[in-house]
Amino acid sequence: DQQVKQNSPSLSVQEGRISILNCDYTNSMFDYFLWYKKYPAEGPTFLISISSIKDKNEDGRFTVFLNKSAKHLSLHIVPSQPGDSAVYFCAATSGGGTASKLTFGTGTRLQVTL
Amino acid sequence: DAGVTQSPTHLIKTRGQQVTLRCSPISGHKSVSWYQQVLGQGPQFIFQYYEKEERGRGNFPDRFSARQFPNYSSELNVNALLLGDSALYLCASSLVPAFDLGAFFGQGTRLTVV
Repeated sequence: DQQVKQNSPSLSVQEGRISILNCDYTNSMFDYFLWYKKYPAEGPTFLISISSIKDKNEDGRFTVFLNKSAKHLSLHIVPSQPGDSAVYFCAATSGGGTASKLTFGTGTRLQVTL
Repeated sequence: DAGVTQSPTHLIKTRGQQVTLRCSPISGHKSVSWYQQVLGQGPQFIFQYYEKEERGRGNFPDRFSARQFPNYSSELNVNALLLGDSALYLCASSLVPAFDLGAFFGQGTRLTVV
């Protein structure tokens, strides 16, 4: 049972435009969400997180939006840069981020073209 | 400061063999988690250790075991290897067993079982 879903396996965006990566979850106990970026042959790198008490969190070019009623979150990257090309994973946990494990989605491969 | 280091980076084992993977957390981090990432999937939680005690275990068979040492480094052991154990094994370290303060991943160990 996939509790965190990233339904788009890949996304291609032109440099300078907005990239929007989506994530859905089914477990109502999840209350803390994270986005990780992964380059080949490297471990995932933390990008940004959001607690369920918020509906938006922004850090530079990255903004995460959370819609609790829809159990949906999205990551916006503006403007997109070629160096953003990577696989992006959405992850969720409970206990306000204090639970012992992260549940990951299957990832979305973002390609930013020139 | 050194990040999370894992060794070896790659290894090839035969079915039925045993393997030990190693992880050194970021200095000062006392919690280590292990994840398995099969090709095309997101990382799956295996174990979390904090202060040398197991804090969480994922849905993996008893062939998988781990421990944490007094210096907070950790080993993941897998016995009686199966072809399906072929994956990237990721280690994550954090100050405490929570994700709201950040968790940092190593580059992973690529295990191939033949």
